Amino acid sequence: DGGITQSPKYLFRKEGQNVTLSCEQNLNHDAMYWYRQDPGQGLRLIYYSQIVNDFQKGDIAEGYSVSREKKESFPLTVTSAQKNPTAFYLCASSKPMETQYFGPGTRLLVL
Amino acid sequence: DQQVKQNSPSLSVQEGRISILNCDYTNSMFDYFLWYKKYPAEGPTFLISISSIKDKNEDGRFTVFLNKSAKHLSLHIVPSQPGDSAVYFCAGSPSNTGNQFYFGTGTSLTVIP
Repeated sequence: DGGITQSPKYLFRKEGQNVTLSCEQNLNHDAMYWYRQDPGQGLRLIYYSQIVNDFQKGDIAEGYSVSREKKESFPLTVTSAQKNPTAFYLCASSKPMETQYFGPGTRLLVL
Repeated sequence: DQQVKQNSPSLSVQEGRISILNCDYTNSMFDYFLWYKKYPAEGPTFLISISSIKDKNEDGRFTVFLNKSAKHLSLHIVPSQPGDSAVYFCAGSPSNTGNQFYFGTGTSLTVIP
């Protein structure tokens, strides 16, 4: 069954802590993306990767980091430098220049 | 700077009637557009797309219209059903940025039975 999975569904972060959100896809898509959604706002691009071992910053990359060591995986780390991390995080993937398909999302909350 | 705008945060429509959701964009380089439907606490689900070489694309009850001169697109849902109640996002992509999409802020559609 092809698709995009994100884990965990809910994640709690303590002050000063780094946390990593997982995103895996088995759609054989080259491109993967991370977005953040805040209440009443659209999706804002954090990072994207068009190919393994390469990624680019999106509009709101500060306080986040990513890696793309495998085609199937694009983990996002929310670092302690991200001062307002509470949001709904969405991962997506696509073939080049085609429609993006989204995972179910991870809600990050700060303790 | 919001490159894609959905100026109506919410819309209510009677079941069976037409729902029209609007979207405006500012970047004339945008040449591919997507509409997504999103339920709370879930990822967006792709609905329909349109490229700038067309001015209309239809898929079942969903039709997207593109007016390039006005930099405006709209999603028509006919007939509207209660299950259509969700937040709808439009997104546009400029041809010179690979596959980077810019999303609007969404319109919350409520279909009243």
